[in-house]
Amino acid sequence: QKEVEQNSGPLSVPEGAIASLNCTYSDRGSQSFFWYRQYSGKSPELIMFIYSNGDKEDGRFTAQLNKASQYVSLLIRDSQPSDSATYLCLVNAGNNRKLIWGLGTSLAVNP
Amino acid sequence: DVKVTQSSRYLVKRTGEKVFLECVQDMDHENMFWYRQDPGLGLRLIYFSYDVKMKEKGDIPEGYSVSREKKERFSLILESASTNQTSMYLCASSLRGLEETQYFGPGTRLLVL
Repeated sequence: QKEVEQNSGPLSVPEGAIASLNCTYSDRGSQSFFWYRQYSGKSPELIMFIYSNGDKEDGRFTAQLNKASQYVSLLIRDSQPSDSATYLCLVNAGNNRKLIWGLGTSLAVNP
Repeated sequence: DVKVTQSSRYLVKRTGEKVFLECVQDMDHENMFWYRQDPGLGLRLIYFSYDVKMKEKGDIPEGYSVSREKKERFSLILESASTNQTSMYLCASSLRGLEETQYFGPGTRLLVL
């Protein structure tokens, strides 16, 4: 089992829809969770981080963390073509203080 | 605004050459990272530095070394470049603590012939 898993996609959604991206992790001691966005040919940039169970909202983005089920999600409301990118999940695995990246989910928002 | 710069955007080298990739950050960050990114393999950590002259091996350190003589500068060295080191190399920096946001440079695309 991979330590951090993401569906590679591509996930295709129509403009204006909600895009839901998921990330599962194996280390129950994981403490902090990050979502990065990476446009083709560009570097990753942070969208959101979340440390506590529940939802965290920032504009059109909502991160959801469920430590009991060991997953973290990113919801993008009112998806725009400019949201088309690869979304990377980063987990700070607390037990050995290791940072683990998922392979990313490719999102395509169709006009 | 955090700025992380890398010395080259594109680099072409020959097998066996010694290659230096430089990264500079201007935000007084303690942590600096070197990654390589390959299709299907994602971001893989090569080396991590949490302070001047301090370094830790990442997941794939073989064939690489690093140098951090000043806080703002972190260099990645390929002692003898090989074709399997052809990749996109990304540098990042963050404040102390693995829970801190990483800020990435623009990347160096290295081709080893």
